[in-house]
Amino acid sequence: AQTVTQSQPEMSVQEAETVTLSCTYDTSESNYYLFWYKQPPSRQMILVIRQEAYKQQNATENRFSVNFQKAAKSFSLKISDSQLGDTAMYFCAFGLTGTDYKLSFGAGTTVTVRA
Amino acid sequence: GAVVSQHPSRVICKSGTSVKIECRSLDFQATTMFWYRQFPKKSLMLMATSNEGSKATYEQGVEKDKFLINHASLTLSTLTVTSAHPEDSSFYICSARDSLMNEKLFFGSGTQLSVL
Repeated sequence: AQTVTQSQPEMSVQEAETVTLSCTYDTSESNYYLFWYKQPPSRQMILVIRQEAYKQQNATENRFSVNFQKAAKSFSLKISDSQLGDTAMYFCAFGLTGTDYKLSFGAGTTVTVRA
Repeated sequence: GAVVSQHPSRVICKSGTSVKIECRSLDFQATTMFWYRQFPKKSLMLMATSNEGSKATYEQGVEKDKFLINHASLTLSTLTVTSAHPEDSSFYICSARDSLMNEKLFFGSGTQLSVL
C-alpha cells in the first residue's frame, strides 16, 4: 500500500509572501500521479496541481508550483504571493495509473494567510 | 470543468434509520466513483470504490452491510448508511473518475451526516 506523509499540521504565512508545504510518499511503483488538493472552509475539494511521475519537469499552475524529487519521493508545494483566499487545508495525494486507480491522501496541512 | 453533484449537503436523522446519499456526474461518464469519509480537520479516508454495473470494493475495516453502495449507471452512485448510529456521524464525500480523463478525480461538495 502507498503511504503519503505531510509532516506540517499547520502553517501560517503573511499575505503576499511565499509558503512551502512538504509531502513525502512511499511506493515501489514507477508510474503514478501526484496531486495537491485544497479544501477551503466550504469543504469542497479543489485540485490545485498535478504531476505525472514520468515527467521530470515540475508542474506549475499560476502561483502554485511543485518541487518533485522522484528519487527522494518528495513532492512539495510552493504557494507564491499568498492571498487570503489561499487559506485552506491542503492535501497531498498519490494515485497509481491503470485500472487500480485510487487516491491515497496525506493527513493535510492547514494554511492560514494573515492580512 | 467537470461537475459532480452530491445530495443532500446536510442530513440529520434518528438513530436506527437509514440515509441515502447521491452522487451524480453531471457532464461526463464516470466508470468509477469513490466514497470517502472525513472527520473534522482530518484527512479523507477511502471507504469504497464503485464501478458501474459491478459490486463495490470496500476498504479494510469498512462494513459493507452498513454502507451500501450502488453504482447503477455511468452517472449515478449512491451510498446508503443503514441503521445509522451516532458514531456514523461524519462528513462523506464522493468523487468520480472521468473515463476520458483518466487521472483526474472530480469531487462532490460533501454530505454532513448527523445521527441523533
